[in-house]
Amino acid sequence: GAGVSQSPSNKVTEKGKDVELRCDPISGHTALYWYRQSLGQGLEFLIYFQGNSAPDKSGLPSDRFSAERTGGSVSTLTIQRTQQEDSAVYLCASSLALGWTGELFFGEGSRLTVL
Amino acid sequence: GNSVTQMEGPVTLSEEAFLTINCTYTATGYPSLFWYVQYPGEGLQLLLKATKADDKGSNKGFEATYRKETTSFHLEKGSVQVSDSAVYFCALSGDDGLTFGKGTHLIIQP
Repeated sequence: GAGVSQSPSNKVTEKGKDVELRCDPISGHTALYWYRQSLGQGLEFLIYFQGNSAPDKSGLPSDRFSAERTGGSVSTLTIQRTQQEDSAVYLCASSLALGWTGELFFGEGSRLTVL
Repeated sequence: GNSVTQMEGPVTLSEEAFLTINCTYTATGYPSLFWYVQYPGEGLQLLLKATKADDKGSNKGFEATYRKETTSFHLEKGSVQVSDSAVYFCALSGDDGLTFGKGTHLIIQP
């Protein structure tokens, strides 16, 4: 597609349920990033992929969070046993390569609400 | 590690006022610096960037100059419009992507 696509755009779930958020980057972009945007907290970096590899998972908030990327394209961010503090907008971005000093292209985000 | 500090809002101005949003950074090496903007209901998009010291980035009437001596990248615009109302994020590049500031909510009143 022309831009970074994320789904679902909105997700409301009950505490304790698992959720999956999907990101489809721009075709040909090898680097993919996940951020979390919470009110008053700005943009929190979660994880990045170079190809299918995520060398550093230390940005993930807890072991309930995991992410994978397959075929150097689509990525899924999974949150297990959701908690209310997980409520936020989850943003995905892609770029031509890691360390690229040009632009990161962002999707419109997935808004997660945990009741 | 890398960090970005920017003034937190909301910043409320009247149309045609002069705008400055301060941004300072801490980084190893020589990062590139960016301003991203998020209009209501939309995703983040790049507003401008500068890749080395003394470079000036500009777009849509906004400007920012990469000042290595003061580790700053302040965003300015001479005459703001209602359509500039948005959240503005300062960011710097690193080995694992961009580090963002917390964002500044700008409100322009007619």
